[in-house]
Amino acid sequence: KAGVTQTPRYLIKTRGQQVTLSCSPISGHRSVSWYQQTPGQGLQFLFEYFSETQRNKGNFPGRFSGRQFSNSRSEMNVSTLELGDSALYLCASSFRMRREGHTGELFFGEGSRLTVL
Amino acid sequence: AQSVSQHNHHVILSEAASLELGCNYSYGGTVNLFWYVQYPGQHLQLLLKYFSGDPLVKGIKGFEAEFIKSKFSFNLRKPSVQWSDTAEYFCAVSSFQKLVFGTGTRLLVSP
Repeated sequence: KAGVTQTPRYLIKTRGQQVTLSCSPISGHRSVSWYQQTPGQGLQFLFEYFSETQRNKGNFPGRFSGRQFSNSRSEMNVSTLELGDSALYLCASSFRMRREGHTGELFFGEGSRLTVL
Repeated sequence: AQSVSQHNHHVILSEAASLELGCNYSYGGTVNLFWYVQYPGQHLQLLLKYFSGDPLVKGIKGFEAEFIKSKFSFNLRKPSVQWSDTAEYFCAVSSFQKLVFGTGTRLLVSP
């Protein structure tokens, strides 16, 4: 079974630009979560999507947005990039049980490393 | 809001030494607990998890963790580390349908 695939793996942008990152979950997984990983902050939860709907959101400004498609693939977008947005952006998928909530076990991709100059 | 504390940010051990990494969480209700590991250049992988039952949980590669509800703790242990255990370790708690991670502990095992 193929793992979680994230593209691009590396990218460099300048302040003020916007960026779109893509994530393909494990086949059969319908939930996709996004995290920002930085050396000082660890992993910070951005948002979770399930059945094309945002189900949960972390404490990030509105410049961070995402969406999920009918095939469960997800994209996240960061507009008006700031230097502090430089980070590893991780996507994770899981088989979310709709009534009982998140199982908690996430399967992570290798991440997209964003550098903002 | 739920929070997770990992007390050791950097740990250096020699091979064959014993390991214990601390993890405490803030939420008093029902939680699911996890330890993830990130080896250099690799993605995050699940080491072990606790949902319910026996509070002593065994994971992959000889790791184990003990859930102590009264102390809100879920410490990770390994009796004898190897050089290949060099990695970053993250404790995580699932509540309110999301995983909250600690800031991680970097473990360096010298041969």
